[in-house]
Amino acid sequence: KAGVTQTPRYLIKTRGQQVTLSCSPISGHRSVSWYQQTPGQGLQFLFEYFSETQRNKGNFPGRFSGRQFSNSRSEMNVSTLELGDSALYLCASSDDPPVGANVLTFGAGSRLTVL
Amino acid sequence: KQEVTQIPAALSVPEGENLVLNCSFTDSAIYNLQWFRQDPGKGLTSLLLIQSSQREQTSGRLNASLDKSSGRSTLYIAASQPGDSATYLCAGGGGGATNKLIFGTGTLLAVQP
Repeated sequence: KAGVTQTPRYLIKTRGQQVTLSCSPISGHRSVSWYQQTPGQGLQFLFEYFSETQRNKGNFPGRFSGRQFSNSRSEMNVSTLELGDSALYLCASSDDPPVGANVLTFGAGSRLTVL
Repeated sequence: KQEVTQIPAALSVPEGENLVLNCSFTDSAIYNLQWFRQDPGKGLTSLLLIQSSQREQTSGRLNASLDKSSGRSTLYIAASQPGDSATYLCAGGGGGATNKLIFGTGTLLAVQP
């Protein structure tokens, strides 16, 4: 089975721009979560989707948004980029409905640099 | 608000040593506990998942335990190898209809050959 695929792996943007990151979960997985990882804040939860519905959302401003498609692929968007948005964005998928006890498989991440 | 602390923040040991990594939660009401490793520039690899009804899990040279009453978990690595060098993260799940995890601050482990 192919793992969780995140694209692009690296990208550079300037302040004020917007960015869209993509995540393709493991085939058959319907639950997708997103995390932001920075040196200062560590790993922080962004959102979670299951069957195209957002099940949970972290404490991030409205500039951060996401969605999930019928094939379980997910995208996240960050508008009006700020320097502090520079981070590794990680996506994880699971093969069960979110019930709080599932092993998450993470992708390699998308490294975003905002200049 | 749940906060997770990992001690030590960094650890360097010679090859072959047994070692223990620690993880503590401010709120002991966690549903399950997972340990991950992260190699530089890469994503996370799940190592062990301790379910709500369990107290420990073992996989090869790794053993993780969870004491909910004290809000603490430990990861024991036996006979460490240079390939074990990575950042180790613990993460707690609160249960319910979500896979959301609260991650610890991480322990950077270096195993010297």
